[in-house]
Amino acid sequence: GEDVEQSLFLSVREGDSSVINCTYTDSSSTYLYWYKQEPGAGLQLLTYIFSNMDMKQDQRLTVLLNKKDKHLSLRIADTQTGDSAIYFCAENQAGTALIFGKGTTLSVSS
Amino acid sequence: DVKVTQSSRYLVKRTGEKVFLECVQDMDHENMFWYRQDPGLGLRLIYFSYDVKMKEKGDIPEGYSVSREKKERFSLILESASTNQTSMYLCASSFVAATSNQPQHFGDGTRLSIL
Repeated sequence: GEDVEQSLFLSVREGDSSVINCTYTDSSSTYLYWYKQEPGAGLQLLTYIFSNMDMKQDQRLTVLLNKKDKHLSLRIADTQTGDSAIYFCAENQAGTALIFGKGTTLSVSS
Repeated sequence: DVKVTQSSRYLVKRTGEKVFLECVQDMDHENMFWYRQDPGLGLRLIYFSYDVKMKEKGDIPEGYSVSREKKERFSLILESASTNQTSMYLCASSFVAATSNQPQHFGDGTRLSIL
């Protein structure tokens, strides 16, 4: 089957930038999403980008979309220990449901 | 803010029991979803519903059923619980727009253990 791919782990130091990458599968997906999951909690919608955009910035978060390569990235500037979590990339293929990647665990050390 | 509430954060049941997981949303969303989350497997869709009394199978519906009698409530039922259904269960809801899917909003999850 077709999968949304993410690297499993990323480790950074506090204050550095983090970049989490994702490769999605369906070029017709209209929205692409980033969710954050803190330990023991549900998924929190962080941000999303419409497929006709290349970039979206929201405070410390920057989303870049390369439709040609079906590549999505999430950059977190000035990463803090509170950013430690699992980050999920998701796309909406035709239909109602979202397709999620397996998640990238971000570990931030002080 | 959207609020999706799952009735239990932690639940322990025995093999063979019938188990009900409840989810309520307060934003009049048409769509509701049930996922399970397991280490290394990510989120897998069990069932979803796009309207009252309507349901669609997701990727892993075996051993589960659902009920949507009211728009705000979506129940997941384990007909006869088995140990391989020990997992984190996540409920989500979303609004339907005319031209595109809308983001899903998640509850805090129910960590279910089957002994």
